[in-house]
This record gives sequence, C-alpha cells and structure tokens, in this order.
Amino acid sequence: YELTQPPSVSVSPGQTARITCSGDALPKKYGYWYQQKPGQAPVLVIYKDNERPSGIPERFSGSSSGTTVTLTISGVQAEDEADYYCQSADTSAHVVFGGGTKLTVL
Amino acid sequence: QVQLQESGPGLVEPSQTLSLTCTVSGGSISSGSYYWSWIRHHPGKGLEWIGYMYNSGSTYYNPSLKSRVIISVDTSKNQFSLKLSSVTAADTAVYYCARDLGDNSGYYFWGQGTLVTVSS
Repeated sequence: YELTQPPSVSVSPGQTARITCSGDALPKKYGYWYQQKPGQAPVLVIYKDNERPSGIPERFSGSSSGTTVTLTISGVQAEDEADYYCQSADTSAHVVFGGGTKLTVL
Repeated sequence: QVQLQESGPGLVEPSQTLSLTCTVSGGSISSGSYYWSWIRHHPGKGLEWIGYMYNSGSTYYNPSLKSRVIISVDTSKNQFSLKLSSVTAADTAVYYCARDLGDNSGYYFWGQGTLVTVSS
C-alpha cells in the first residue's frame, strides 16, 4: 500500500501552499501530516484529517476528499520551509508514510 | 509532558543485530491506550514505520521488516526496545521512538532520534 505525494511544492511568502496525498484506503482511514526540518524530529501538524494539535499555528489546515487528503498552509512564512509527510494506515492497521514533499518558500 | 529518549550503539557491523532502547519520562508506558512506535529516516529519503507496541505488549510490524524485527517492553524501567537482526547498509538511518495521541491517532511525541550506521 502506498501514499503518493508530489516531490516538491514551491510558493512565495504570503501565498497558500497545498500539498496532496493520495491513497486507496484514505476514504476509510484518517490522514496525518508531519513537518520535518533538517536535523530535527518530525512534528505532527494535522491529525485525523483536519484536527490541529495545540501549539500548531492556525495557518495549517487539513482536508479530505475521496482518496486524497490535503495539507493547506495559508499565508506561508519562511519558517514553513521543510519536508512534509502524510501518514495513514492500510486495511491491516499497518502504518504507512508518504514519500514526502519538500516545501520551498521562494 | 511525555518525553522519549533513544539510546544504543551508533555503529553496528553488517549481519549483526541492531539494538535500541527508548526511555519514557513524564508518563507510564503501561497506562492508557497508546501506541509506542519505532520509525526510521534513511539519509536523503523518507520516513519508514518499523512497528509499534500497544496494550503493554501486543505488537505490529512493517511487513517488509517483520522477519527481522522484535519490539519489546520493560515496564519496570519504563522503556521499550527495538531489535533488528541481520542488518545491512540499507538499515543505516536515524531511528526514532514515538508515541501517538491515543488510539493510533498520529505520532505527537518523538525522541530526538539516533543515527545508526551499519558498517564494518
């Protein structure tokens, strides 16, 4: 089972970045999103498709439609430049990560 | 606040067994419905789930690693451990231990990660 993400997304500061993640089980399984900066552990930014953990800025939001979940970052800031990974589970409860998307802030 | 800390050798010889321990502080590893996981990050590549433990002993492993992985718990020390046998250079990675929010709902708490290099 695979989760498919675009390898890279580029946006200018203040614009909106959207990162998609596709997988056949996503209509039945929640999607999760992590931000990872070089040399650091991942940080959970969205859980259960669209919930935001405490401490995560409101500009981070998530949505789900069919076989795709989407991470949206509104008003992108330079500090948002990072790798973003989606995560879900297959029908056998095995955890799966997407290949990651490098967000570049121009 | 729950904190996790990985420990173990940073260098393992090919064909040997990689052994890491995750020490948990700020909460009991045997309380609550939490999933305690091992996840690795290969240099320049993506994240890979290795496996998790829940209910103080039940385990689930990545099918691609299942034949080589054991995750176990020591509740007296508030630790859980990873053993990965017959390692090769492809197992060189930063290894993280992590805990979810509850009921397998996303990994909120992470250790800082430890680099393990497989080399002779």
